[in-house]
Amino acid sequence: AQSVTQLGSHVSVSEGALVLLRCNYSSSVPPYLFWYVQYPNQGLQLLLKYTSAATLVKGINGFEAEFKKSETSFHLTKPSAHMSDAAEYFCAVSDAGNMLTFGGGTRLMVKP
Amino acid sequence: GAVVSQHPSWVICKSGTSVKIECRSLDFQATTMFWYRQFPKQSLMLMATSNEGSKATYEQGVEKDKFLINHASLTLSTLTVTSAHPEDSSFYICSARDGTGGETQYFGPGTRLLVL
Repeated sequence: AQSVTQLGSHVSVSEGALVLLRCNYSSSVPPYLFWYVQYPNQGLQLLLKYTSAATLVKGINGFEAEFKKSETSFHLTKPSAHMSDAAEYFCAVSDAGNMLTFGGGTRLMVKP
Repeated sequence: GAVVSQHPSWVICKSGTSVKIECRSLDFQATTMFWYRQFPKQSLMLMATSNEGSKATYEQGVEKDKFLINHASLTLSTLTVTSAHPEDSSFYICSARDGTGGETQYFGPGTRLLVL
């Protein structure tokens, strides 16, 4: 069975500061990993995905994530936070069957 | 590309009535669509997987007679909440995976259901 743990249900950063959202997964097979962003009252938008190619994945809006197999992690980072980055972020894992398992989500708050 | 729409975006209904939510893939064919439910400040819970032309597969604890899913074409899946009650009030989100076997799910904007 797969599982995803997102450490920190709330993360607060100042505008311009580094954003680091943590995600650890467990999977019995090589996984596909995803980060999605959700703005209030909206669906999920794909930020980036790892599919066993490069371990450092670049996504939209300046976000990137690094797959570390030894740490079973897929943390999301952005060098400089912008006010528009305030949203809910979900890490998800899928196996070859492509069923997504989501983490609990992390709400990112950006202070001016 | 890879746009998924949902209709309606908001619906308010009386207890005991049925509500139908549509999920459409606008620019690709989706052999598989998924229906999720999201409670406030919580993550997404998979309700069922819908495959075009076959019966949906429901997750444990989801009442298939209450949440009717139909995936009649490669671009449309519908979720009907039958005899809705206030506890069915929630945010319902669909996603679609394209027919080429891609691993990515593309999500619709969600439908907020309020049952009075």
